[in-house]
Amino acid sequence: QLQLQESGPGLVKPSETLSLTCTVSGGSISSSNYYWGWIRQPPGKGLEWIGSIYYSGTIYYNPSLKSRVTISVDTSKNQFSLKLSSVTAADTAVYFCARQGGGDYGDYIYFDYWGQGTLVTVSS
Amino acid sequence: SSELTQDPAVSVALGQTVRITCQGDSLRSYYATWYQQKPGQAPVLVIYGKNNRPSGIPDRLSGSSSGNTASLTITGAQAEDEADYYCNSRDSSGNVVFGGGTKLTVV
Repeated sequence: QLQLQESGPGLVKPSETLSLTCTVSGGSISSSNYYWGWIRQPPGKGLEWIGSIYYSGTIYYNPSLKSRVTISVDTSKNQFSLKLSSVTAADTAVYFCARQGGGDYGDYIYFDYWGQGTLVTVSS
Repeated sequence: SSELTQDPAVSVALGQTVRITCQGDSLRSYYATWYQQKPGQAPVLVIYGKNNRPSGIPDRLSGSSSGNTASLTITGAQAEDEADYYCNSRDSSGNVVFGGGTKLTVV
């Protein structure tokens, strides 16, 4: 059974960089046809896609966050990571990592395996 | 930019049928995917593609689409269906977008 687990600091100071890692177990991050994504959810609010990466390095970023986000993958460790720079209180959220699949013809995408999520609070 | 619009809240009587909708221009070209999220938990994939359910998802949940609107229908709603429901899709640039979510109350 595929499992994903987020890890990283739960408290980040304003203007600093948020860094999280997602460790994948029970399967390979180098699996064909799957991207690996980050999604966040501010307290009491909805889901926001941050970005997704393929094991070969192809990356898609949410245009609204693109200037501050870096997503990378380490296939040797079966991990992928998120860095979000210049954080503010608005970046306080539960951050999820998830596996992203899609239809054979690109006509749909889905996130089928999710980590439990980790709360990151931005505060001095 | 791509946006998906959902009604913030919907209620349904126990055992009745409810439809949760998701609207957006991207849905004219791509199917919506649906997730169920209960408090304190990660979202769970419930519908993807034309109308596909992952293993373990009851068949009282179904998906459909027409024009720029996708729908999640729960036929014979149960107490355990009370949750937040999110749609998502992609756009032509490969970006992913989520709807704002619908809080379903079963009364």
